[in-house]
Amino acid sequence: SQTIHQWPATLVQPVGSPLSLECTVEGTSNPNLYWYRQAAGRGLQLLFYSVGIGQISSEVPQNLSASRPQDRQFILSSKKLLLSDSGFYLCAWSVPAGLQETQYFGPGTRLLVL
Amino acid sequence: GQQLNQSPQSMFIQEGEDVSMNCTSSSIFNTWLWYKQDPGEGPVLLIALYKAGELTSNGRLTAQFGITRKDSFLNISASIPSDVGIYFCGGGYNKLIFGAGTRLAVHP
Repeated sequence: SQTIHQWPATLVQPVGSPLSLECTVEGTSNPNLYWYRQAAGRGLQLLFYSVGIGQISSEVPQNLSASRPQDRQFILSSKKLLLSDSGFYLCAWSVPAGLQETQYFGPGTRLLVL
Repeated sequence: GQQLNQSPQSMFIQEGEDVSMNCTSSSIFNTWLWYKQDPGEGPVLLIALYKAGELTSNGRLTAQFGITRKDSFLNISASIPSDVGIYFCGGGYNKLIFGAGTRLAVHP
């Protein structure tokens, strides 16, 4: 069966510090991968998605970047965190299925920027 | 662009009551998904729908893909305290978008 991992689970970082969040998927090959941010009590905002190694699409201009160095690894980064980067970050994966895909979410990383 | 409206925003019900929530889109979708999110955790997929008119159950949960392909509903029958959480709909055509969520509270 497929599983998705995210770490760390919780992170407290000072403003201006760098960030690296990691997401890995097991039990599947060539997944589509996604990074979402969820503000407190809000819905899901798609930040990045990837259909393959080294292929990253950005959905919104922001202070963050993403990379996919391996097939089942997706990394969310920032060189200098802002207060507004605080939130709950969710990674998701899906099996490419043409026009219909079902996304499965990881456990999330809660980021607090102080 | 595409918009997804989910209602109600929140519900406070008595244990044993039935619950209904829905999502509507401004355009035609070919996929509707329903998730539940517990505090501090990632959303968990409850039901996936891929055909207009499709009605699918998962235990006490039932969801339907509207025949217009622009809406979907989720029903929970005989609610119990562990049903508490935030329910999200997701849908799209080639690309998923998500509703803002329905926060459900169940009073014992």
